[in-house]
Amino acid sequence: DAGVIQSPRHEVTEMGQEVTLRCKPISGHNSLFWYRQTMMRGLELLIYFNNNVPIDDSGMPEDRFSAKMPNASFSTLKIQPSEPRDSAVYFCASSLGVHQPQHFGDGTRLSIL
Amino acid sequence: DAKTTQPNSMESNEEEPVHLPCNHSTISGTDYIHWYRQLPSQGPEYVIHGLTSNVNNRMASLAIAEDRKSSTLILHRATLRDAAVYYCILRDGTLAGGTSYGKLTFGQGTILTVHP
Repeated sequence: DAGVIQSPRHEVTEMGQEVTLRCKPISGHNSLFWYRQTMMRGLELLIYFNNNVPIDDSGMPEDRFSAKMPNASFSTLKIQPSEPRDSAVYFCASSLGVHQPQHFGDGTRLSIL
Repeated sequence: DAKTTQPNSMESNEEEPVHLPCNHSTISGTDYIHWYRQLPSQGPEYVIHGLTSNVNNRMASLAIAEDRKSSTLILHRATLRDAAVYYCILRDGTLAGGTSYGKLTFGQGTILTVHP
């Protein structure tokens, strides 16, 4: 079975550019989560969707970050404009229900120069 | 959020059992104890969870103290592939709306090294 699929796996771009990270959750899962991981702050929840609706975006750092889930099989996390401090590994996870175990993708390693 | 305390690191030898401790003295009655692990260059992976009783699955066992203020993840025979960061997380099981959805809050975890 296909797990959570994230793309790209690696992204290197210059400061000020727009970055779009993509996630395909496991089919049938109705909860989707975006996380960010850095050495300094560890693994942090950015936003949580339930049935394609954003429920908790309190972890989104600032207005430069936005996330969408246009349908049950696709979500994006966008950073515009990007800054060097946004460099991190970004993970997407999905679950059958909000209290069920979360399944994580392999992440996108983002480097902003 | 109720917090957990784990040792920063532990070491084990291959094919020996490993007991990973977790303290959670402020646990509430609705908190489930979840364990995830993160292998190098991968996303976290669910291991096991429980509420009050000990739990077993194909990956590990979870032993929960009677007062629920501590728990232990048990890997019965460590392999090199078990080398990872292990996270013990308290997750609110209350079925409430809004932000009370039992979010996972990851701490620093325990770095497990397995020696051949």
